[in-house]
Amino acid sequence: QLQLQESGPGLVKPSETLSLTCTVSGGSISSSSYYWGWIRQPPGKGLEWIGSIYYSGSTYYNPSLKSRVTISVDTSKNQFSLKLSSVTAADTAVYYCASPNIVLVEYAFDIWGQGTMVTVSS
Amino acid sequence: EIVMTQSPATLSVSPGERATLSCRASQSVSSNLAWYQQKPGQAPRLLIYGASTRATGIPARFSGSGSGTEFTLTISSLQSEDFAVYYCQQYNNWPPLFTFGPGTKVDIK
Repeated sequence: QLQLQESGPGLVKPSETLSLTCTVSGGSISSSSYYWGWIRQPPGKGLEWIGSIYYSGSTYYNPSLKSRVTISVDTSKNQFSLKLSSVTAADTAVYYCASPNIVLVEYAFDIWGQGTMVTVSS
Repeated sequence: EIVMTQSPATLSVSPGERATLSCRASQSVSSNLAWYQQKPGQAPRLLIYGASTRATGIPARFSGSGSGTEFTLTISSLQSEDFAVYYCQQYNNWPPLFTFGPGTKVDIK
């Protein structure tokens, strides 16, 4: 059973770059069955899709964040990563890595990490 | 960009009663619509995909309907564990860009 686990700093300074990693276990990140993504949730608010990446390396981003986001895959470590630049307090959120099993559930996110809280503060 | 709206923002329901949640898309998403349940401190859980197909392990009291721009999630008889926030998500685009609705909180009446 595929599992995802986020890791990274819980505190980032304003104007710096937020960097998170998601480790995939129980399956291969090189599988064509998945569309690895990042979703965030500010405290007390709703869900916002940040972006996703295919095993091929093709990436798609939320237009509202596109200029600041980079998602990449490291097949040697079975991980994918998020970088969000020039952060402000508005980027404070729980960050989830998630993926649909495209074969089974189309593009609905059926696999989620537990989430990691990132606070932007000096 | 496709904008998703949900109503009501909060729904107060007694245990055993039926709950009906609505989701609307700003343009047609065909049947490319998912529903999620989220409890405090937990990641969202997929309930429904393809507008009406229950995900693995989801009880039959959860049902989804609709297509195009109007969708409904129905919980036929609310159990104590169903009090949570429910989100809809569209995945109609190509390239695959996704948007979530703002959520409906189902609380105890």
